[in-house]
Amino acid sequence: GAVVSQHPSWVICKSGTSVKIECRSLDFQATTMFWYRQFPKQSLMLMATSNEGSKATYEQGVEKDKFLINHASLTLSTLTVTSAHPEDSSFYICSARWGEVTEAFFGQGTRLTVV
Amino acid sequence: ILNVEQSPQSLHVQEGDSTNFTCSFPSSNFYALHWYRWETAKSPEALFVMTLNGDEKKKGRISATLNTKEGYSYLYIKGSQPEDSATYLCAWGGADGLTFGKGTHLIIQP
Repeated sequence: GAVVSQHPSWVICKSGTSVKIECRSLDFQATTMFWYRQFPKQSLMLMATSNEGSKATYEQGVEKDKFLINHASLTLSTLTVTSAHPEDSSFYICSARWGEVTEAFFGQGTRLTVV
Repeated sequence: ILNVEQSPQSLHVQEGDSTNFTCSFPSSNFYALHWYRWETAKSPEALFVMTLNGDEKKKGRISATLNTKEGYSYLYIKGSQPEDSATYLCAWGGADGLTFGKGTHLIIQP
């Protein structure tokens, strides 16, 4: 299958700072990338969908000004958690696909802890 | 709100035994049903994408069935091996992103 690399795998930051998470498709051009979040004992929840060169589409209840998504190239999407607070501590994971192909490939995820 | 439910939440199986678990999902507006295998510290690995009612797919010792009319899918593992230990996720949806279940955590005991 195709390879998606997500970085960093874990990060600890102070409350009020911003954190950037990168998601790269290594061997294909990702026209669409998805960002998910998972709280303990919960399922992966879709946060937003980004298409290359377009603004991201956010799911209901996800603050677009807090979770900035940039998908400027066909191989890179970034999620920036701005002014992070302890309640933003979670597991964030991206997936990517090309064209209208149904299958999407996942990164390894990022464990964010805000202290 | 779409609900994708998986059961059981966790499962201990003796090595060599066969096992199965369930995913239930909304039967209306069905697009596709995905199964993933997720090992700790790794990326979820796609096992199957199923779209047709009655579909049955197989990959080695793992197989899956799909009933879109009643909204459920079964994943079967034949002759479990320690390397099968993982969390198995099912997800409903397609072009606009996936709705996931909480997963079934499978532990194979030697």
